Amino acid sequence: QSALTQPASVSGSPGQSITISCTGTSSDVGGYNYVSWYQHHPGKAPKLMIFGVGNRPSGVSNRFSGSKSDNTASLTISGLQAEDEADYYCSSYTSSTPFVFGTGTKVTVL
Amino acid sequence: EVQLVESGGGLVQPGGSLRLSCTASGLTFSSFWMHWVRQDPAKGLVWVSRIKGDGSYIKYTDSVKGRFTISRDNAKNTLYLQMNSLRAEDTAVYYCVGDSGIYTFDYWGQGTLVIVSS
Repeated sequence: QSALTQPASVSGSPGQSITISCTGTSSDVGGYNYVSWYQHHPGKAPKLMIFGVGNRPSGVSNRFSGSKSDNTASLTISGLQAEDEADYYCSSYTSSTPFVFGTGTKVTVL
Repeated sequence: EVQLVESGGGLVQPGGSLRLSCTASGLTFSSFWMHWVRQDPAKGLVWVSRIKGDGSYIKYTDSVKGRFTISRDNAKNTLYLQMNSLRAEDTAVYYCVGDSGIYTFDYWGQGTLVIVSS
């Protein structure tokens, strides 16, 4: 099972919107609505930001949103803030492993 | 507040063993699937193993089958990972993760570092 493909880095200025893609196959992202996104500040515990493609857990800012089209899921962060600077990972349920993660994206706030 | 605290990591020689523990608080532990997920610079995040709340279902990723054993003690709110025949490629930060049953990693610990090296 290969890792899901994410861009290595994405950057934006405060207040802007950015989108992180997560590309898989019909055996994972495209086949199930079990795509999640995690925020990871190094040295801290990763935090669930989006589950079930586009659902936010209680307490997560509505600046974070998720979507999916075919084999690609996306995380959009609107109104970018300094505290959003972190690593972001997607994950998906799969027909084999049964879970696979993305390669990770470093978000930089300029 | 949910807290997952891992312990037991360290430096071990190839072929050696380690037992990781994860103590949970702030959640109904027996209601959660629990996972071990590891992260290393080369492969990123990799799912390792999971166990159902009552311990009746267990699964492993292929690379650790026959070497790692996941278990839990619901009376102690503790998850374990017994790691035997360790290899250099098992070097990683190991995270304990709680899953409420919707194929999502709801809660994570801060991780414990395992280094396999001579």
